[in-house]
Amino acid sequence: DAKTTQPPSMDCAEGRAANLPCNHSTISGNEYVYWYRQIHSQGPQYIIHGLKNNETNEMASLIITEDRKSSTLILPHATLRDTAVYYCIVRIYNDYKLSFGAGTTVTVRA
Amino acid sequence: EAGVTQFPSHSVIEKGQTVTLRCDPISGHDNLYWYRRVMGKEIKFLLHFVKESKQDESGMPNNRFLAERTGGTYSTLKVQPAELEDSGVYFCASSHPRQGGAGQETQYFGPGTRLLVL
Repeated sequence: DAKTTQPPSMDCAEGRAANLPCNHSTISGNEYVYWYRQIHSQGPQYIIHGLKNNETNEMASLIITEDRKSSTLILPHATLRDTAVYYCIVRIYNDYKLSFGAGTTVTVRA
Repeated sequence: EAGVTQFPSHSVIEKGQTVTLRCDPISGHDNLYWYRRVMGKEIKFLLHFVKESKQDESGMPNNRFLAERTGGTYSTLKVQPAELEDSGVYFCASSHPRQGGAGQETQYFGPGTRLLVL
């Protein structure tokens, strides 16, 4: 079952950075933090993942606290197409299945 | 490169009937997964294939569900007989095995099949 806590919803202004928090206070040393999102009527889409270092790709940045108990997904310049449900998932290194929680519904407003 | 495809996109059947969902993974992906979201609930894992072998079927709800992946390419998920509580969206995902194991492996999802059992 999901081991993460996320706010149920948040709004963001178009063009501004969106900072999505995730609490995973019981994370263990061999567990990765993954972020997926689901845009309405589509399948979940991989965004980014990390173990302990901060990560950046073309979609987003992932900031993981030093104690690894929480993380923040940053969408640097949110667009209307970023409106979606965002899932923070903690995944043990040898477990293939993804455990989705309720996620955060992010609405980007013009 | 084509993504994960699923067929049909929608299916409406009556209780007691049989439905077969199909998933075509990304070419070359040995790992194939089925997930589902039933009404009002979270997305849940059903099972995992590695090529044609079932690696983990711990999420399969009961024996009315049968998944196959003959030849290690496409997969089917059959529900027989369908019940009202089977209504929901069924997602398929695939991935390529990565060095470092599951923790470094990215799953790519299809658009899902929306099943409605009346």
